[in-house]
Amino acid sequence: KNQVEQSPQSLIILEGKNCTLQCNYTVSPFSNLRWYKQDTGRGPVSLTIMTFSENTKSNGRYTATLDADTKQSSLHITASQLSDSASYICVVSRQGGGFKTIFGAGTRLFVKA
Amino acid sequence: GAVVSQHPSRVICKSGTSVKIECRSLDFQATTMFWYRQFPKKSLMLMATSNEGSKATYEQGVEKDKFLINHASLTLSTLTVTSAHPEDSSFYICSARDRTTDVTEAFFGQGTRLTVV
Repeated sequence: KNQVEQSPQSLIILEGKNCTLQCNYTVSPFSNLRWYKQDTGRGPVSLTIMTFSENTKSNGRYTATLDADTKQSSLHITASQLSDSASYICVVSRQGGGFKTIFGAGTRLFVKA
Repeated sequence: GAVVSQHPSRVICKSGTSVKIECRSLDFQATTMFWYRQFPKKSLMLMATSNEGSKATYEQGVEKDKFLINHASLTLSTLTVTSAHPEDSSFYICSARDRTTDVTEAFFGQGTRLTVV
């Protein structure tokens, strides 16, 4: 069964601290994995996208890793800011027709001053 | 990055009326657009996939007669919630795929908060 599981479900950190969010998937055949940031009441915004051959990608203070062998990905946020408070969604796409994507439930991050 | 504009951002309608939500790709052509529904604190649930010029493909459990999707051009798809009821109140989000990209990147609209009273 194609699934994407994220952990933790929610996380509270202090401003300035680092954190790492996890994403495990069983989607096959794998096409790509994306991390999105979704502010409350807004549409998701893409942070990173990685294909099978990529194992790390950075976007400012966001660094995503991908281990296609273990089917795990992580999103590392460095020097967190209050504006990082949001839901972070891991999305995995399958190869083949239909552009089938499977969404994780997301991790809700709260950054406190 | 590519921009997807969704309108309206918020709408309140009376039970029994219909509501149309627009999704536009502003700077690229989108052969495929996706419509999602999101409940509070939950992830996005794919409702349907629409391809320009053809009928939409609905996910299991989504009523096609209730959620009418039209994708008449490469830059516009619309979702019409017909005979809306309070249980249709939700956050609806569209996304669009740039036909020129090799990787299945999809860009999301800002979402539409529908409240049926």
